[in-house]
Amino acid sequence: KAGVTQTPRYLIKTRGQQVTLSCSPISGHRSVSWYQQTPGQGLQFLFEYFSETQRNKGNFPGRFSGRQFSNSRSEMNVSTLELGDSALYLCASTTGTSGSRGDTQYFGPGTRLTVL
Amino acid sequence: AQSVAQPEDQVNVAEGNPLTVKCTYSVSGNPYLFWYVQYPNRGLQFLLKYITGDNLVKGSYGFEAEFNKSQTSFHLKKPSALVSDSALYFCAVRDTYSGAGSYQLTFGKGTKLSVIP
Repeated sequence: KAGVTQTPRYLIKTRGQQVTLSCSPISGHRSVSWYQQTPGQGLQFLFEYFSETQRNKGNFPGRFSGRQFSNSRSEMNVSTLELGDSALYLCASTTGTSGSRGDTQYFGPGTRLTVL
Repeated sequence: AQSVAQPEDQVNVAEGNPLTVKCTYSVSGNPYLFWYVQYPNRGLQFLLKYITGDNLVKGSYGFEAEFNKSQTSFHLKKPSALVSDSALYFCAVRDTYSGAGSYQLTFGKGTKLSVIP
């Protein structure tokens, strides 16, 4: 079974631009979460989607948004980019259907965003 | 609120020696605990998890972890370190009572493990 895939793997943008990142979960997984990883702040939770609905949201400004499609693929968007948005953005998927919150999240390789 | 502490930024160990990477946690309810490993320019790779039951959990690549409820710890261990184990290790927790069904994980800051040949 293929793992979590993320596209693109690398992005370079300038301040003020917007960017869209894509995530395809493991086949059959319905829950998708996004995390931001930076050297200073570590891994921080952005948001989580399940069956096209945002189920949880981290403490990030409204410039960060996301959505999930009916095939469970997810996108996140960052508008009006700032230098501090430079980070590795990780997507993770979980089955979401077992009824157990002990289910494992499986991570993709990440998208490395550099804001100049 | 839930939190995770990894008290060591870096751990150095000689190849063939046992290794331990420390993790302590704080949650309101009962914890689900996870260990992940990250190699340079890669995503996180799942190693093992504690949900319930036996306090000693065995995972991938010979790693294991011991859950200690009284000390709120979940230390990662391996009997004999390999050079290829050198990577960044993250401990994570999910509180059973938070987030209305959410799978959100709270991560520690990570511990860089260096295995010296």
